[in-house]
Amino acid sequence: GENVEQHPSTLSVQEGDSAVIKCTYSDSASNYFPWYKQELGKRPQLIIDIRSNVGEKKDQRIAVTLNKTAKHFSLHITETQPEDSAVYFCAASRRSQGNLIFGKGTKLSVKP
Amino acid sequence: NAGVMQNPRHLVRRRGQEARLRCSPMKGHSHVYWYRQLPEEGLKFMVYLQKENIIDESGMPKERFSAEFPKEGPSILRIQQVVRGDSAAYFCASSPVTGVYGYTFGSGTRLTVV
Repeated sequence: GENVEQHPSTLSVQEGDSAVIKCTYSDSASNYFPWYKQELGKRPQLIIDIRSNVGEKKDQRIAVTLNKTAKHFSLHITETQPEDSAVYFCAASRRSQGNLIFGKGTKLSVKP
Repeated sequence: NAGVMQNPRHLVRRRGQEARLRCSPMKGHSHVYWYRQLPEEGLKFMVYLQKENIIDESGMPKERFSAEFPKEGPSILRIQQVVRGDSAAYFCASSPVTGVYGYTFGSGTRLTVV
């Protein structure tokens, strides 16, 4: 079955710096890769996703890149702000299936 | 649109009791997914249901756990004879069609077994 590894587990950056979180997956048939942000005690919220037919997607300060050959994808947050502090989860799935396989999360701290 | 509604938000049960967690999908969504999140961990898929059907229960423990999504009413995740290890946050998500596009999570039920 699919396995998703996520690194780093914790990340601390200064406000205004960039943050990069990386994930690898094992199932070459996976074709959908969402990223979720979870604040303490709250629900995971979808912040960006990418499908296997594209290599990069951008939404304001957030971008995701996908390398299908290497089976890894990354989240890039530019000009970080204190409100970006949260736990970020990557996930992978085959579009035809109903379940997402999540990484273990990255706790991002943005210091003012 | 009220979003995915889960209740209760917090549930405390003594060891050996039953826990019932409810999930009402977003309006127009007929697919429901349950996930469990242990402290400091990611979400783990448990079960995927459509109305009156279990589509995939590959992540559900074989004993004590069951799920249903009746024709009328919310989806129910039922845990019988709870143990301390069942303490976790249980999240429900819904989507309008098969597959994972448009996944929206509810606020979760935090189960504590004492």
